Amino acid sequence: GAVVSQHPSRVICKSGTSVKIECRSLDFQATTMFWYRQFPKQSLMLMATSNEGSKATYEQGVEKDKFLINHASLTLSTLTVTSAHPEDSSFYICSAYRTGQETQYFGPGTRLLVL
Amino acid sequence: GDSVTQMEGPVTLSEEAFLTINCTYTATGYPSLFWYVQYPGEGLQLLLKATKADDKGSNKGFEATYRKETTSFHLEKGSVQVSDSAVYFCASLNYGGSQGNLIFGKGTKLSVKP
Repeated sequence: GAVVSQHPSRVICKSGTSVKIECRSLDFQATTMFWYRQFPKQSLMLMATSNEGSKATYEQGVEKDKFLINHASLTLSTLTVTSAHPEDSSFYICSAYRTGQETQYFGPGTRLLVL
Repeated sequence: GDSVTQMEGPVTLSEEAFLTINCTYTATGYPSLFWYVQYPGEGLQLLLKATKADDKGSNKGFEATYRKETTSFHLEKGSVQVSDSAVYFCASLNYGGSQGNLIFGKGTKLSVKP
């Protein structure tokens, strides 16, 4: 298998602050990583595709200025929720695509609560 | 566009019962197919996958066979355990789209009672 970590696993912040979530592929290099959002009892919603060394590709309806994605290395992608509001509270999950296995491996998720 | 449809839950079974979760897909090409499992409060774990027609993926007693003729990838387990309680997602990956972009079904929640 392959291991993908996320940090932090849980974060509580005040409205108006920014929160950074890290996604790391621990035992393989990932040119492409994905960021998802999951609402309670619902499926995953793809937010953006993160490509190492280039700008992320955002899905329709996702504000790129609010959800900043940086994929500076082959093992790390970060999602920064800027000026967070209570409606941004959610479960954020990243995944890393392992070329050769043609499989996405998921991180354990980050639960964000904005007060 | 590509899509994945899986049976809606929740599914409630007694321990040692037989499990089937149906999944069908539509795709322009020949996608790889996956089942992921999500335990409460956690991310998704790859359960099994199949990359071409007639392939059978298997893991932890779960099986699914890639049926091109019926465009299906049904998940089965002969005897479920309480520890199998989770949400199961069927997904397809078509190389024609963005690299590695998965199309997910809506998920099926399984509850196994002792």
